[in-house]
Amino acid sequence: AQRVTQPEKLLSVFKGAPVELKCNYSYSGSPELFWYVQYSRQRLQLLLRHISRESIKGFTADLNKGETSFHLKKPFAQEEDSAMYYCALAYFGNEKLTFGTGTRLTIIP
Amino acid sequence: GAGVSQTPSNKVTEKGKYVELRCDPISGHTALYWYRQSLGQGPEFLIYFQGTGAADDSGLPNDRFFAVRPEGSVSTLKIQRTERGDSAVYLCASSAGTLVSYNEQFFGPGTRLTVL
Repeated sequence: AQRVTQPEKLLSVFKGAPVELKCNYSYSGSPELFWYVQYSRQRLQLLLRHISRESIKGFTADLNKGETSFHLKKPFAQEEDSAMYYCALAYFGNEKLTFGTGTRLTIIP
Repeated sequence: GAGVSQTPSNKVTEKGKYVELRCDPISGHTALYWYRQSLGQGPEFLIYFQGTGAADDSGLPNDRFFAVRPEGSVSTLKIQRTERGDSAVYLCASSAGTLVSYNEQFFGPGTRLTVL
């Protein structure tokens, strides 16, 4: 069965410093990987997915099949990046998203 | 337009009671999903509808849980004989199509269920 691991429950970073939120997955086939974000008092929303290869709000994520990772990165953290971040996985023929436990990112002014 | 809506936003019930949670998807979205999020955990898949039919109900934890979508729009998640372990935030999401067709799942605000 597929599994998503986010090893850090909490991460604090100073404003302007680089951010990296870790995500590892286990799945034997070709997965589709996503990052979802939940800002305070807002609903869960898609931040980015690996297939689109976009940079959203300065965030990027690269799928590394060798390391089975999909880490989320941003070179310079901003205060508005403080939120809960979830990594998620899906695959062809299976519509359900499998989420990790999430990382709460706090940006220190 | 309006996003996914869920009612009620909060529900407190007693152990053993029956509850219904409602989801109104984005208009025109054929796919509808239910997830459950327990404290400190990520959302966990329960069931997926394509149109009126449940295409995947593999995440329903037991036969106390049931969901319907009779007209292919609004969905109701029904929980019988509630237990304290059912306490969680129940999330609904809808999508214009499948994930692998690059359609996004849009989430509702959730219903927080507390079983006393």
